[in-house]
Amino acid sequence: ETGVTQSPTHLIKTRGQQVTLRCSSQSGHNTVSWYQQALGQGPQFIFQYYREEENGRGNFPPRFSGLQFPNYSSELNVNALELDDSALYLCASSLGAHSSTDTQYFGPGTRLTVL
Amino acid sequence: QQQVKQSPQSLIVQKGGISIINCAYENTAFDYFPWYQQFPGKGPALLIAIRPDVSEKKEGRFTISFNKSAKQFSLHIMDSQPGDSATYFCAASPYNQGGKLIFGQGTELSVKP
Repeated sequence: ETGVTQSPTHLIKTRGQQVTLRCSSQSGHNTVSWYQQALGQGPQFIFQYYREEENGRGNFPPRFSGLQFPNYSSELNVNALELDDSALYLCASSLGAHSSTDTQYFGPGTRLTVL
Repeated sequence: QQQVKQSPQSLIVQKGGISIINCAYENTAFDYFPWYQQFPGKGPALLIAIRPDVSEKKEGRFTISFNKSAKQFSLHIMDSQPGDSATYFCAASPYNQGGKLIFGQGTELSVKP
């Protein structure tokens, strides 16, 4: 059983650019959630995808968007990057989206730096 | 909008001592309270979790104490070891909304030999 993987590990972009981050879910998991973790802070929920449909969104603007593919891998897209978007972006997969006790398995994250 | 507050921000404990991290949540319908452990360069990993109908849960050296009326819960690490040095996050999961965790700010624990 493989764990959650994310790519790339690190990324440097300039303000105004667009970025795509990728996540491969743990085998058998149909739900993926994305989080933003600023330095020294706890992760903040961005949005969740369940069976290729968005299933809830946190307090993030529309320039944060996502996709989930039939194999349950996922992408996070951020347009018009701002300096405050610099953070560690984490994805987490789970077996389902409707039970709060479904364990979230986190990937190692992508460190995004916006200059 | 911060709904889960965690303290202290950092903690230094001697090997063999007890580490205690506290969290408080605001008036929201949460029904699951996990604790996550994060090492540098890694994603958070589930350590232990509790439902609000239980006042205490113990797994090895790790214990969660839960006070529903006070809306507070805490993590106790007994016989703390240098390998426990990591950042710990409490979290809360809204009722029937799996995966939409609300995290505390984190506590950086350092266990000195």
